[in-house]
Amino acid sequence: GAGVSQSPRYKVAKRGQDVALRCDPISGHVSLFWYQQALGQGPEFLTYFQNEAQLDKSGLPSDRFFAERPEGSVSTLKIQRTQQEDSAVYLCASSPSSRGTGPRGYTFGSGTRLTVV
Amino acid sequence: GESVGLHLPTLSVQEGDNSIINCAYSNSASDYFIWYKQESGKGPQFIIDIRSNMDKRQGQRVTVLLNKTVKHLSLQIAATQPGDSAVYFCAENYSKLTFGKGITLSVRP
Repeated sequence: GAGVSQSPRYKVAKRGQDVALRCDPISGHVSLFWYQQALGQGPEFLTYFQNEAQLDKSGLPSDRFFAERPEGSVSTLKIQRTQQEDSAVYLCASSPSSRGTGPRGYTFGSGTRLTVV
Repeated sequence: GESVGLHLPTLSVQEGDNSIINCAYSNSASDYFIWYKQESGKGPQFIIDIRSNMDKRQGQRVTVLLNKTVKHLSLQIAATQPGDSAVYFCAENYSKLTFGKGITLSVRP
């Protein structure tokens, strides 16, 4: 597609439930990022993929968070045993640069708003 | 850790006036600085970027200024329009993008 697509747009989960958030990056983009954005805050880095390799997962807040990109295209962010503090918008971004840097930054999707009740 | 911060949480301007949004950064090794605009329910949208070896860059109605001496970045929007109302983030790029907290720009008709 023309942009980064994320699904679902909204997800309500009961505390303790597992969730899976999907990201379809721009076709051919090498780099893929996940960010977490709490209400009223800037996006916070979670993890970075270069093709199928997860090169940086330093931002994942706990071992309940897991991300994968098995074929170097679509990515899934999984959160196990969700907690209320996991409530946030989860943004996916992609970039054609193999270093994940360079002009124009990244192209972001519209995000998945996760609410844990 | 390294961080990007904004001086003002909100900015209200009259339609047609110029807007100036300021930002301080901390990582001298960042190679790009980028301004994003985020509207409600959407992801951040690229506005303009500037390399670390530049002082000024102009786009359509927007100008970004970089002062590396004091680690300061600013976004100038000329003839602000109602459609410019949004949250604006500065971000610095060093292996990954690091965002500030954001500033809300409100345009009065």
